[in-house]
Amino acid sequence: DGGITQSPKYLFRKEGQNVTLSCEQNLNHDAMYWYRQDPGQGLRLIYYSQIVNDFQKGDIAEGYSVSREKKESFPLTVTSAQKNPTAFYLCASSRSTGAYTGELFFGEGSRLTVL
Amino acid sequence: GNSVTQMEGPVTLSEEAFLTINCTYTATGYPSLFWYVQYPGEGLQLLLKATKADDKGSNKGFEATYRKETTSFHLEKGSVQVSDSAVYFCALTPKAAGNKLTFGGGTRVLVKP
Repeated sequence: DGGITQSPKYLFRKEGQNVTLSCEQNLNHDAMYWYRQDPGQGLRLIYYSQIVNDFQKGDIAEGYSVSREKKESFPLTVTSAQKNPTAFYLCASSRSTGAYTGELFFGEGSRLTVL
Repeated sequence: GNSVTQMEGPVTLSEEAFLTINCTYTATGYPSLFWYVQYPGEGLQLLLKATKADDKGSNKGFEATYRKETTSFHLEKGSVQVSDSAVYFCALTPKAAGNKLTFGGGTRVLVKP
């Protein structure tokens, strides 16, 4: 079945460590996104990518980094510079942002806890 | 900037009750509006959308009407089921922003048998 796969589902990290969250899609979508979900705050956009080898900062990019070397993959690294990294992270994809529909397809999320 | 405000939850209802979740927005121009739903343990999925004023989006018995005059997009369902228990997110995107969505805080709905 086509969809978005995020891994790991749960991750624990010590302070000062970088951690990378994986996101893979087989929907042949051009655009991919990373959102952070905190209780009562909804989803906030971290980074997005409209095409391979290109990505842009979202609203809360500080302390995060991404790469887009393949169409199917958009990993997110949470660096030690992120002051409050404990959160639920959601990856999404859509057809090219030029093909505007507003429909994003989401993975099941990765919950990161910093100890 | 763009923002979306939703009523805080949780909203607890009995089966077959009427559900309303309020959503108001602030945006430049005329954005498109969406409701997404997140069932327990899953990612979000699009429930319905409306792209211009007075449009009504509908799906699975849920409806929402784009009200430009009140900048609102309230979600309604006439008779909820236990399976409607989920978190509901209102969202918008200005058309120039393509598929970059701004989300509200989410409203948790619990339907009891």
